[in-house]
Amino acid sequence: NAGVTQTPKFQVLKTGQSMTLQCAQDMNHNSMYWYRQDPGMGLRLIYYSASEGTTDKGEVPNGYNVSRLNKREFSLRLESAAPSQTSVYFCASIPQGTNTGELFFGEGSRLTVL
Amino acid sequence: SQQGEEDPQALSIQEGENATMNCSYKTSINNLQWYRQNSGRGLVHLILIRSNEREKHSGRLRVTLDTSKKSSSLLITASRAADTASYFCATGTGGGNKLTFGTGTQLKVEL
Repeated sequence: NAGVTQTPKFQVLKTGQSMTLQCAQDMNHNSMYWYRQDPGMGLRLIYYSASEGTTDKGEVPNGYNVSRLNKREFSLRLESAAPSQTSVYFCASIPQGTNTGELFFGEGSRLTVL
Repeated sequence: SQQGEEDPQALSIQEGENATMNCSYKTSINNLQWYRQNSGRGLVHLILIRSNEREKHSGRLRVTLDTSKKSSSLLITASRAADTASYFCATGTGGGNKLTFGTGTQLKVEL
């Protein structure tokens, strides 16, 4: 079991460029999440997907789009990157049928926007 | 907006000592969880306490929850150098399994 896998691990973009962060989990989890982590801010929820075919906005969705491609995969897209999107991005998932369960996190994707 | 605030922001102790970190939150919760993050890594779940529980133990970890004060504490007993990490509290407040994270406590355990 690989758990939650994120790609790429590191990326440098120029302002205005677009890119997609990929996330896949092999634990048959229903719900998946994208968080960003900035110094002194903790983690903030960008988007989440409660189940395949559904997505919802979190606390900081502006500038991002997501796709729940299938049960395993949940991607995060930056259409026109801005320096304010420089951050570490974490994908997470939660087990099926759990109402108050723990999140399983990937190792993070470190994005720098110049 | 941040739901949880950890205190202290940073803590440095000697190996073998106990480490206590606190978390305060603003709204009613269903559960509160603590996570650890080693430098450059993802977060790892440590322990979950439900709103109707007051104390929970897991190995060297002890978590308390006071819903009247909207606060929780994490105690790590007999700390080890390997406990050096950032610790985050996270609150669950309803459906959707969404968690809101605090700003974290950086713990350094020195030999």
